Amino acid sequence: DVKVTQSSRYLVKRTGEKVFLECVQDMDHENMFWYRQDPGLGLRLIYFSYDVKMKEKGDIPEGYSVSREKKERFSLILESASTNQTSMYLCASSFAHKTNEQFFGPGTRLTVL
Amino acid sequence: QQPVQSPQAVILREGEDAVINCSSSKALYSVHWYRQKHGEAPVFLMILLKGGEQKGHEKISASFNEKKQQSSLYLTASQLSYSGTYFCGTGSSYNTDKLIFGTGTRLQVFP
Repeated sequence: DVKVTQSSRYLVKRTGEKVFLECVQDMDHENMFWYRQDPGLGLRLIYFSYDVKMKEKGDIPEGYSVSREKKERFSLILESASTNQTSMYLCASSFAHKTNEQFFGPGTRLTVL
Repeated sequence: QQPVQSPQAVILREGEDAVINCSSSKALYSVHWYRQKHGEAPVFLMILLKGGEQKGHEKISASFNEKKQQSSLYLTASQLSYSGTYFCGTGSSYNTDKLIFGTGTRLQVFP
């Protein structure tokens, strides 16, 4: 079974803090994704990585950065958390090529106070 | 830029049918369908590709109209386990594996 794990299910941070969300997959997938899920807005892509150290911006990259130093691990970084970044964050991974399904992690619900 | 899904919500009794639509303003190469149950991660259902190829779930069917840039997901003889939120994800470029997901359709099936 493919497993995508995320470091925390729930996280509470203060405005201005630096926040790291970690994602690990065990299927040797080339692609990894970070999405943000908000009620009524669906899943919105923040960043996408197609290889180690390679990344592409998604639809809402502002306020976020990413790091992929190893193939199995993809980190989302909030340099200075703000209250409007309170959300559910989902990580996903897939083999390369657009016909391959994405496997999602369980999500991290981040609250910024 | 997000594909538009309709309806936003559907309520069914077991055994009834439903159709969920996904419409994009961009030319599409692929459409992916996922289902997310409450409190769980989205799970893959099906991929439809330009040219007619499909991969996915045996009990759920879908169509892809390339000219209209639309896809429809057909849920027949619905079961309680079909409840959840359905998302379409559209791929519109040959050069990237990124998908743009719709806002979702919430489906509730009651006994």
